[in-house]
Amino acid sequence: DAGVTQSPTHLIKTRGQQVTLRCSPKSGHDTVSWYQQALGQGPQFIFQYYEEEERQRGNFPDRFSGHQFPNYSSELNVNALLLGDSALYLCASSPPPGVPRPDTQYFGPGTRLTVL
Amino acid sequence: RKEVEQDPGPFNVPEGATVAFNCTYSNSASQSFFWYRQDCRKEPKLLMSVYSSGNEDGRFTAQLNRASQYISLLIRDSKLSDSATYLCVVVPPQGGFQKLVFGTGTRLLVSP
Repeated sequence: DAGVTQSPTHLIKTRGQQVTLRCSPKSGHDTVSWYQQALGQGPQFIFQYYEEEERQRGNFPDRFSGHQFPNYSSELNVNALLLGDSALYLCASSPPPGVPRPDTQYFGPGTRLTVL
Repeated sequence: RKEVEQDPGPFNVPEGATVAFNCTYSNSASQSFFWYRQDCRKEPKLLMSVYSSGNEDGRFTAQLNRASQYISLLIRDSKLSDSATYLCVVVPPQGGFQKLVFGTGTRLLVSP
């Protein structure tokens, strides 16, 4: 049973560029959430996708956008990169409502983004 | 005030010691509570859920005090492999769609 997978594992970009990160949820999960973890901090919620729609959003600017596909996989896009966007970007998936502990989220290994 | 607050540590303890971490949260209507463990440069992994009645998983015991809005994690008989960052996580009320709110994490270093 494959867990949450993310690609790429590492990425280096320069200021002003755009980046797309990808996530495939754990088998049987249909909700995908994205988090940003800066060095020395806990993960910060970016947004959550369910049924191909953004359902919740954290305090992140519109430069951060996403998408969910019919197979439940998801993308995170960041435009006009800033130095402060350098972080570990984590994707988490959770099971559908009606199963035990639907609020339990399982994380992928993350994508480490460095903006120069 | 931060939604979830933890002492960042580090907590330095010898093998075999008992160590306790506390965490406070600001939203009294929060629904679910967890402890996650994160190893250096890895993803967070669910350690255990936290229930109002308290729960235990081997050497780990979690407690929730809703009246005081704090959560605790007790680790008994510490092992070298317990060295990691422990993240306190709260799920605020969101009408059916959950986001996790993390503390900054408490770093534990277990030495021989």
